Amino acid sequence: QVQVVESGGGVVQPGTSLRLSCAASGFTFSTYGMQWVRQAPGKGLEWVAVISYDGSITYYAESVKGRSTISRDNSKNTVYLQMNSLRPEDTAVYYCAKAEAPTVTTGVGFDYWGRGTLVTVSS
Amino acid sequence: SYELTQPPSVSVSPGQTARITCSGDALPSQYAYWYQQKPGQAPVLVINKDSERPSGIPERISGSSSGTTVTLTISGVRAEDEADYYCQSADSSATSVVFGGGTKLTVL
Repeated sequence: QVQVVESGGGVVQPGTSLRLSCAASGFTFSTYGMQWVRQAPGKGLEWVAVISYDGSITYYAESVKGRSTISRDNSKNTVYLQMNSLRPEDTAVYYCAKAEAPTVTTGVGFDYWGRGTLVTVSS
Repeated sequence: SYELTQPPSVSVSPGQTARITCSGDALPSQYAYWYQQKPGQAPVLVINKDSERPSGIPERISGSSSGTTVTLTISGVRAEDEADYYCQSADSSATSVVFGGGTKLTVL
């Protein structure tokens, strides 16, 4: 069955970097877009970034643009989120999710989500 | 930046119908998607492309669209439907994804 598993979260100091990973299985990974979504404690969902099935198209939320990079390795069925210059307001659970339709990057729903990985930015 | 607007909360009694709206200027040209999220759990896609139900979602959950507003309707509300509900769509240029602020559905 389809599985999406995030990893790489932890407690980091402001200004440092962190790379999150998302390992996927149970579907043809190389034909689906993937996104990262975060949720600060007690708050709503906030879209972070999306990447096309082949990695050629990426889009970012304004809140992370210039500080974060989404990438993927289709040979490893894994998508990544590199986050730099972390701020306390980046503290959140970060979810990875699979697009519900192949080859589409935006204008699509996301049908399988991981359990999330917690990132805490604190001195 | 583009925004989707949802009411913060909706309350209904068991067996009644709950309607949650989501408004955005680009909704006439971009599909909307709805997610249900229960405490401590990941979101679950409950409505696809304005009104399609993914496999496994009960028929009492439905979606509709009219102009700049989409609506999630839950008929015959049960205690298990108590959750946060989020709409999601894209901006008019399809270069950004956005979520609504979320609506907490309370079953009285």
